[in-house]
Amino acid sequence: DVKVTQSSRYLVKRTGEKVFLECVQDMDHENMFWYRQDPGLGLRLIYFSYDVKMKEKGDIPEGYSVSREKKERFSLILESASTNQTSMYLCASSLPRSGGGLKTYNEQFFGPGTRLTVL
Amino acid sequence: AQKVTQAQTEISVVEKEDVTLDCVYETRDTTYYLFWYKQPPSGELVFLIRRNSFDEQNEISGRYSWNFQKSTSSFNFTITASQVVDSAVYFCALSDPTTSGTYKYIFGTGTRLKVLA
Repeated sequence: DVKVTQSSRYLVKRTGEKVFLECVQDMDHENMFWYRQDPGLGLRLIYFSYDVKMKEKGDIPEGYSVSREKKERFSLILESASTNQTSMYLCASSLPRSGGGLKTYNEQFFGPGTRLTVL
Repeated sequence: AQKVTQAQTEISVVEKEDVTLDCVYETRDTTYYLFWYKQPPSGELVFLIRRNSFDEQNEISGRYSWNFQKSTSSFNFTITASQVVDSAVYFCALSDPTTSGTYKYIFGTGTRLKVLA
């Protein structure tokens, strides 16, 4: 079974703190993703990584950075947490798009989520 | 622009009723993939199905079925004889290639399904 784990289910931090959210997958997936989920807004992509040390901005990268030093681990960093970053954070991983005449987009496997509250 | 619309915010049904969750998408690509995920109260999204744009055959898996229609850009999901365990938020997603040659996904806002006993 593919397993994606996140370091905490619940986290409470103070405004201005530096926050690290960790995600680890055990299936040797090249791609990893960080989303935030807010009521009425669905899942919005923050950052993703398609290889070690390779990253690309998603739709809402402001206020966040990421780190991928090892293939299995993808960290989301809130440099200076603010109250509007209170949210559910979801990590996901997937195999890369398969090549050939018809490229295959593979499904993502998600972690259980981290509910972050910034006071 | 790539976009996924799930117009139904919340649906309530009584157990054993059939229910259809709508998904409408917009894409500039000729080759693309669509996905459905289930998010139960525990919070972890679970993959349900992947469908590519070249395959318009409908698919059935137990009580679940999916109707893909390119002509209307829709990929609807039907649960037959719903059960309380089907209560969850359901997300539709669309593949979105990036300029760097990788890809990401666009998610809809989700439909919350409540199945009442």
